Amino acid sequence: DTAVSQTPKYLVTQMGNDKSIKCEQNLGHDTMYWYKQDSKKFLKIMFSYNNKELIINETVPNRFSPKSPDKAHLNLHINSLELGDSAVYFCASAGTFNEKLFFGSGTQLSVL
Amino acid sequence: SQQGEEDPQALSIQEGENATMNCSYKTSINNLQWYRQNSGRGLVHLILIRSNEREKHSGRLRVTLDTSKKSSSLLITASRAADTASYFCATDGAPNRGSTLGRLYFGRGTQLTVWP
Repeated sequence: DTAVSQTPKYLVTQMGNDKSIKCEQNLGHDTMYWYKQDSKKFLKIMFSYNNKELIINETVPNRFSPKSPDKAHLNLHINSLELGDSAVYFCASAGTFNEKLFFGSGTQLSVL
Repeated sequence: SQQGEEDPQALSIQEGENATMNCSYKTSINNLQWYRQNSGRGLVHLILIRSNEREKHSGRLRVTLDTSKKSSSLLITASRAADTASYFCATDGAPNRGSTLGRLYFGRGTQLTVWP
């Protein structure tokens, strides 16, 4: 069983569209994250949720809206997609003390 | 910025050789972690070393931490072709600021290629 799973794996879309990426973890963790990896492999945190509550928002544009229906799910909705949003988006979760992260396999978003 | 910085950016070696990657960071930390990322996959946690530790081993991995120099190194001994991946260090920011809420700061990684 995949511990952290996110869908879709690939997402190709036009500028201006709205898209969502879903993430689920079956590890029983309380904390989940969204990270963005750019073309130079730089990985940066976007959001963190603990038990369905937002605890980290790293100066991400309002076009990005995370939503956590329960502590096992953290989805990412992106409005009015821009070329610069093209990147790989990773979902992750963390257990006790929020130290070691478990990552999903990533969603490659390409905005044309 | 607070992210770690790995060095070298790319490393190419033969199977059986040792691979050493370095990481420098800028702020005080509670711990430092190393992750591996295979092409097209997510990051996988390798090892965590706490600020009061100087060295840690896990199988063929050896990690050192020098908090006075704000640097860490990852040594992979007797490398294999399957070790080909990007390796990232991640720090958790400044402990004096209280809980870091699990926020990790990553560098851009070292791309390791191990040739058979």
